[in-house]
Amino acid sequence: NAGVTQTPKFQVLKTGQSMTLQCAQDMNHEYMSWYRQDPGMGLRLIHYSVGAGITDQGEVPNGYNVSRSTTEDFPLRLLSAAPSQTSVYFCASSYQMPTRDTHGHEQFFGPGTRLTVL
Amino acid sequence: GQQVMQIPQYQHVQEGEDFTTYCNSSTTLSNIQWYKQRPGGHPVFLIQLVKSGEVKKQKRLTFQFGEAKKNSSLHITATQTTDVGTYFCAGRDFGNEKLTFGTGTRLTIIP
Repeated sequence: NAGVTQTPKFQVLKTGQSMTLQCAQDMNHEYMSWYRQDPGMGLRLIHYSVGAGITDQGEVPNGYNVSRSTTEDFPLRLLSAAPSQTSVYFCASSYQMPTRDTHGHEQFFGPGTRLTVL
Repeated sequence: GQQVMQIPQYQHVQEGEDFTTYCNSSTTLSNIQWYKQRPGGHPVFLIQLVKSGEVKKQKRLTFQFGEAKKNSSLHITATQTTDVGTYFCAGRDFGNEKLTFGTGTRLTIIP
């Protein structure tokens, strides 16, 4: 299994450009999520999905869109990039919601995408 | 909203010394998870604690969940260079499905 894959690894955008960060998992996990990581602020949840066709907002959703048309893929779209979106983006998946108390709550993270917006 | 703070933000220890990081929530947690992130890497799940006062061990790592379920700690005995990285806790409020990550503690080891 490849686990959770993310592309690209690095990206530089100009203010106002749009792009899509790709995330895919081959573990048949229902739950997928996107986080951004900024120095000194830990990981902040952007959007998440509990299954194909279902998405919801996290802590910092503004400026980002997501869709979940298949179980495997969960792309993150930046419609009009801003310098404040310069960050490292991580995609994660788990068999079920990471907040469940039973087995399957472990989140597997992708390698990340380092995004710079000029 | 829920806030999860970790202290210290940074910790430098001599190899062989012990290390502890503390996680404090502004609200009572249903459960708490711990992750480790190596420099330049991605977070890797370590453990989940659910019960009040729960203590779990993984070799040299000891995880504890407070009696009031508002705090947690990770203790590493006799640190090794392989322990280098940032340790994050992540907690969930009761009635909230979202996981909130702490700010992390960055551990560096002096050989």
